[in-house]
Amino acid sequence: GQQVMQIPQYQHVQEGEDFTTYCNSSTTLSNIQWYKQRPGGHPVFLIQLVKSGEVKKQKRLTFQFGEAKKNSSLHITATQTTDVGTYFCAVPGGYQKVTFGIGTKLQVIP
Amino acid sequence: DVKVTQSSRYLVKRTGEKVFLECVQDMDHENMFWYRQDPGLGLRLIYFSYDVKMKEKGDIPEGYSVSREKKERFSLILESASTNQTSMYLCASSLSRRGEQYFGPGTRLTVT
Repeated sequence: GQQVMQIPQYQHVQEGEDFTTYCNSSTTLSNIQWYKQRPGGHPVFLIQLVKSGEVKKQKRLTFQFGEAKKNSSLHITATQTTDVGTYFCAVPGGYQKVTFGIGTKLQVIP
Repeated sequence: DVKVTQSSRYLVKRTGEKVFLECVQDMDHENMFWYRQDPGLGLRLIYFSYDVKMKEKGDIPEGYSVSREKKERFSLILESASTNQTSMYLCASSLSRRGEQYFGPGTRLTVT
């Protein structure tokens, strides 16, 4: 099935610093989804990107889909303690299913 | 709002026991999924179902089976629980097969 590499696996930032996580695929993707899982919680859908070069914003979060549709990034500007959690990307896998990346665990130091 | 519920938040079972994990969604979604989540391994798909009585193996189906007798309910079965099945189990549903997934709160299963 489709494999996706997500980096970094862990990130510690000082509150107020920016944060970026990346997802990379060896093949062209039809779309990519992003989810957030708070500590002790379950993954919650954030956004889906479909178009080449697409950029979407949700307040301090900026999502980008690469021009070649093989990579994507999630950037958080001026992190807050409420941003703590694990961020997953998800891509179409084999046989009509979705494959999740390993996730990036973000820790924000107040 | 879509609601996905799971029968237990925490479960402790003994090795060899048969374990049932239940998942119910209230949004008439065709597609339902079972994942397990382990530190450093992310979310791994065990089984999924795209219709009543239909099931497909995911990436790690060994040691598990599933049942979907009604559209809203998807059960994960551990026929003979083993300690390496200690994990967090997450159920999800979606309207389309590759669409946005809605997750339940998870069941943390410990097999001793």
